[in-house]
Amino acid sequence: GESVGLHLPTLSVQEGDNSIINCAYSNSASDYFIWYKQESGKGPQFIIDIRSNMDKRQGQRVTVLLNKTVKHLSLQIAATQPGDSAVYFCAENRGGSQGNLIFGKGTKLSVKP
Amino acid sequence: ETGVTQTPRHLVMGMTNKKSLKCEQHLGHNAMYWYKQSAKKPLELMFVYNFKEQTENNSVPSRFSPECPNSSHLFLHLHTLQPEDSALYLCASSPGASGGVNIQYFGAGTRLSVL
Repeated sequence: GESVGLHLPTLSVQEGDNSIINCAYSNSASDYFIWYKQESGKGPQFIIDIRSNMDKRQGQRVTVLLNKTVKHLSLQIAATQPGDSAVYFCAENRGGSQGNLIFGKGTKLSVKP
Repeated sequence: ETGVTQTPRHLVMGMTNKKSLKCEQHLGHNAMYWYKQSAKKPLELMFVYNFKEQTENNSVPSRFSPECPNSSHLFLHLHTLQPEDSALYLCASSPGASGGVNIQYFGAGTRLSVL
């Protein structure tokens, strides 16, 4: 797997455009999913979550889409701003009593002014 | 501010040193976690504590020793580390694991360098 630093998938967008970050998960029993944003020098910050019984959830400028058929999750950021530049991680909760999260590879989003 | 504070932010230590990382959460949560974040790997879960009891040790070497004296504080004691242990160590807390949504909130991490 890959994480913060070298060899991260990178998405470069123009300021004001919409961004779409994708994530594939592996366990069909996962019951909820979370998107985190990690800026340089900081820990991951919660953005939005979605339960497995939903297809879509909207927040402020962000929308998460869940396609359980193909085990795919996406994060859409509207009107991307320079402050959105960060590494974005999806995480899945694989159920069970612990509620522990499994993190995916990050995607580095760069916003060009 | 996320409500989770980690100290120190940066730490350099030799392989024979003993040091400790500290994490404190002000969110009233019952679960706390240690993660390791390396340059070429996804976030790796190390330890989980629920109500001060360790509920998961993800095959972590014994040179890492966690301690959770209460639900608000978590320590990671380090001794005889190796250079490959250099990484960002992240602490997180969550309301508690009993099914349902259990969002974890992270601290800023301790950047550890082992020489």
